[in-house]
Amino acid sequence: DTGVSQNPRHKITKRGQNVTFRCDPISEHNRLYWYRQTLGQGPEFLTYFQNEAQLEKSRLLSDRFSAERPKGSFSTLEIQRTEQGDSAMYLCASSSIRKNTEAFFGQGTRLTVV
Amino acid sequence: DAKTTQPNSMESNEEEPVHLPCNHSTISGTDYIHWYRQLPSQGPEYVIHGLTSNVNNRMASLAIAEDRKSSTLILHRATLRDAAVYYCISYSNSGYALNFGKGTSLLVTP
Repeated sequence: DTGVSQNPRHKITKRGQNVTFRCDPISEHNRLYWYRQTLGQGPEFLTYFQNEAQLEKSRLLSDRFSAERPKGSFSTLEIQRTEQGDSAMYLCASSSIRKNTEAFFGQGTRLTVV
Repeated sequence: DAKTTQPNSMESNEEEPVHLPCNHSTISGTDYIHWYRQLPSQGPEYVIHGLTSNVNNRMASLAIAEDRKSSTLILHRATLRDAAVYYCISYSNSGYALNFGKGTSLLVTP
C-alpha cells in the first residue's frame, strides 16, 4: 500500500478560476477527511466522509467548496471562483471505521491563488 | 469540542529525553488523547494515543494524568529527525473530526 495519495502536489491558479484536487485514500479505509492548513497554523477540519456519505461539514466550507466521494473510493475537493484567501495546503486523510484509530495523511496539495 | 493547550515551542538537545506537555481539562471521560506530529513540508503523522493508562510504542510514550486533565508525550532520545510540530488532539463532539490546535514546535539541537 502506498498510503494516501494527493494530486496535484502544487497548483497555482488565477483568482476567479475553479480548481479540483483529488485524494486516493488507503484502499480499505472507510473514513476520509479533508483539512486545510495555512502557514503557522494547525490543520483545520473541512469535511468528513464515511464511505460515500458526507457526514460532516465545517463552517469553513463555504458554498464555493464542494467535496465528493463517489463509490466510497477516491475523493475530490473543488473550489469555485477561487480567492486569494483560499491559498493554503489542502490535506486529505483516511482511517478505518474502527473508533479511535489512527488517521493517515497525504502530503497535501499546495494551492496558490494569484 | 474539547480544547487542548500546548506550549508554542520547546527545545531539546539531541539524544536527550523530551517531555511535551498538554492540558486538556475539558476532555470527556470517553475521549482518547491523540498525538500527531508534522515534519516540515509533510502531512501530519500519527504518534500515539491513549485513554487512561500510560501507553508505549516504538516512537514514544504517553503518560496520562490520573484525572485525565493533562498528558505528556515522551520522546526517550530526541534525534534531529524528531524536529517537528507536535499536536495533542481529541476528536470533535461529533466523533468524526480531529481538532488540531497550533501544536508545539520542537527544535532539536546537536
